[in-house]
Amino acid sequence: EPEVTQTPSHQVTQMGQEVILRCVPISNHLYFYWYRQILGQKVEFLVSFYNNEISEKSEIFDDQFSVERPDGSNFTLKIRSTKLEDSAMYFCASSDLAGDVGGTQYFGPGTRLTVL
Amino acid sequence: KNQVEQSPQSLIILEGKNCTLQCNYTVSPFSNLRWYKQDTGRGPVSLTIMTFSENTKSNGRYTATLDADTKQSSLHITASQLSDSASYICVVITGGSYIPTFGRGTSLIVHP
Repeated sequence: EPEVTQTPSHQVTQMGQEVILRCVPISNHLYFYWYRQILGQKVEFLVSFYNNEISEKSEIFDDQFSVERPDGSNFTLKIRSTKLEDSAMYFCASSDLAGDVGGTQYFGPGTRLTVL
Repeated sequence: KNQVEQSPQSLIILEGKNCTLQCNYTVSPFSNLRWYKQDTGRGPVSLTIMTFSENTKSNGRYTATLDADTKQSSLHITASQLSDSASYICVVITGGSYIPTFGRGTSLIVHP
């Protein structure tokens, strides 16, 4: 069964460094998402992406964050200058239909980001 | 402000028993409501998606209900199994754009 994959599974970085989290969505999906979950807290929406542009973004997704689909398979989340509070599990998800029309989202296993 | 409240926060049941989890929301405008299962350290897995016109939707031993008038949803788990131990998350999507509001989840523990 097709699945969303994410790399790395765990990333440790120093405060102020740039990190890129990578995701390979399911191949025929057109809608892509990033979420984060701080340890012990609820999942939070960051951004949705369709047709090579951002569809929606939350207040969390400020100028420090960017997303890109550099080729036909990868979907990346970049954090330019990491802060301690960016430490969280980051989940990528993809779907074949838009979320507001009921498209089922498939989540990846997550990347645990630790900022020291 | 859009909010999703889930209850109980945690629940312990014996294997084979049924249970019902609750979700109340104040999200507007409403597009759809989703229930996810999240195992510890893993990504959420979709269980059901319900639109405004749907009252009930089943997925195996999981049955979700939606009352759009009272803005309440429930997830009923029948004949629980040890593998049902997880966090169950209610998510409500706003209409017209994909902005999800997540609940904090109900942590379910199934004991043998």
